[in-house]
Amino acid sequence: SQQGEEDPQALSIQEGENATMNCSYKTSINNLQWYRQNSGRGLVHLILIRSNEREKHSGRLRVTLDTSKKSSSLLITASRAADTASYFCATDGSNAGGTSYGKLTFGQGTILTVHP
Amino acid sequence: NAGVMQNPRHLVRRRGQEARLRCSPMKGHSHVYWYRQLPEEGLKFMVYLQKENIIDESGMPKERFSAEFPKEGPSILRIQQVVRGDSAAYFCASSIGTDSTYSNQPQHFGDGTRLSIL
Repeated sequence: SQQGEEDPQALSIQEGENATMNCSYKTSINNLQWYRQNSGRGLVHLILIRSNEREKHSGRLRVTLDTSKKSSSLLITASRAADTASYFCATDGSNAGGTSYGKLTFGQGTILTVHP
Repeated sequence: NAGVMQNPRHLVRRRGQEARLRCSPMKGHSHVYWYRQLPEEGLKFMVYLQKENIIDESGMPKERFSAEFPKEGPSILRIQQVVRGDSAAYFCASSIGTDSTYSNQPQHFGDGTRLSIL
């Protein structure tokens, strides 16, 4: 079964620095999504990258996808204290007809701490 | 607020009681998903429903757990005869669809219900 795994498990940086988180998965995917979760809250969708895309940007976020290596990375540039949260990648598989299975398979997450 | 609404936010039950968790999807969304999150872990898929249909329940325990999404009203995740191991955060998400037209639309999550079993 699919399984996303992020590394590092925890990352501690200073404000203004860049943060890079990696995600690996095991089976073919329809798309890969990154979510943020603040303590005690639900998940906030950050960015979705399709299986035929290699790179995507959204504000200070940059996501890459390498389907040959079954891996993705999330880069947050010029980090802020407000970026402190857990970050999860989630994969969405699909059948041969392109219909999503619907369910997302999440990794264990990376806990990011940005010190002011 | 047009987001996914879950209630209650916190639910405390004694062992053996029943827990009912509710989820109202975003406006216009007819696909609902339930996930469970144990402390310090990622979310684990439980069940995927459309109106009046269970599409995929492969992640849901065979006993004591059930889910429904009636024609009218919210989706309900029901846990009967709760045990300590059921303590977790339960998240609901919704999406607009999953066929090839919508297969690249994200799921939107509620803030979850934190279930504590005494």
